[in-house]
Amino acid sequence: KAGVTQTPRYLIKTRGQQVTLSCSPISGHRSVSWYQQTPGQGLQFLFEYFSETQRNKGNFPGRFSGRQFSNSRSEMNVSTLELGDSALYLCASSPRQGSGGGSYEQYFGPGTRLTVT
Amino acid sequence: GENVEQHPSTLSVQEGDSAVIKCTYSDSASNYFPWYKQELGKGPQLIIDIRSNVGEKKDQRIAVTLNKTAKHFSLHITETQPEDSAVYFCAARWDGGTSYGKLTFGQGTILTVHP
Repeated sequence: KAGVTQTPRYLIKTRGQQVTLSCSPISGHRSVSWYQQTPGQGLQFLFEYFSETQRNKGNFPGRFSGRQFSNSRSEMNVSTLELGDSALYLCASSPRQGSGGGSYEQYFGPGTRLTVT
Repeated sequence: GENVEQHPSTLSVQEGDSAVIKCTYSDSASNYFPWYKQELGKGPQLIIDIRSNVGEKKDQRIAVTLNKTAKHFSLHITETQPEDSAVYFCAARWDGGTSYGKLTFGQGTILTVHP
């Protein structure tokens, strides 16, 4: 099976711009989570989507948003970029079946390295 | 919310030695504990995980132990090899309520295995 794919792998944007990142989960996986990784804050949860609905959200401002499509692919958007948004954005795919579906593994993609100048 | 503390932040061992990384968590409701290995330029790779109804799990040279009472879990790597050098992250998750998909990570341990 192909793994989680993320595009683009690298991105350079200017402060104030917006950006859209894309994630394609492992075939058959219906849950996608997004994480931000920085040297200072480590790995932090952004949000999770399952069946095209956001099921959980981390402590990030409203500038960070996402969506999931019917084929389980997901996008995240960051508007009005700030210098502090420079980070590795990681997408994790899971075979989660639904609420109360038991513990499930999450598999990460290679990430998108976003640099804001 | 959940908080995960990971120690040590760096670990240097000789090839063939064992390496142990320890994590503690704060939320007693957490019931899933994965470990990830991250190499330079790559995303975290799931290497082993344990559920709260199990005390220990092994997979070849890697083992994880869980002490629910102490809210503590550890990663053990035996017979280390240079290719084990990477950053290792522990994480915790509660599978219930509105906590789906939310892994809380430790700060990471940089493991260096010297030939």
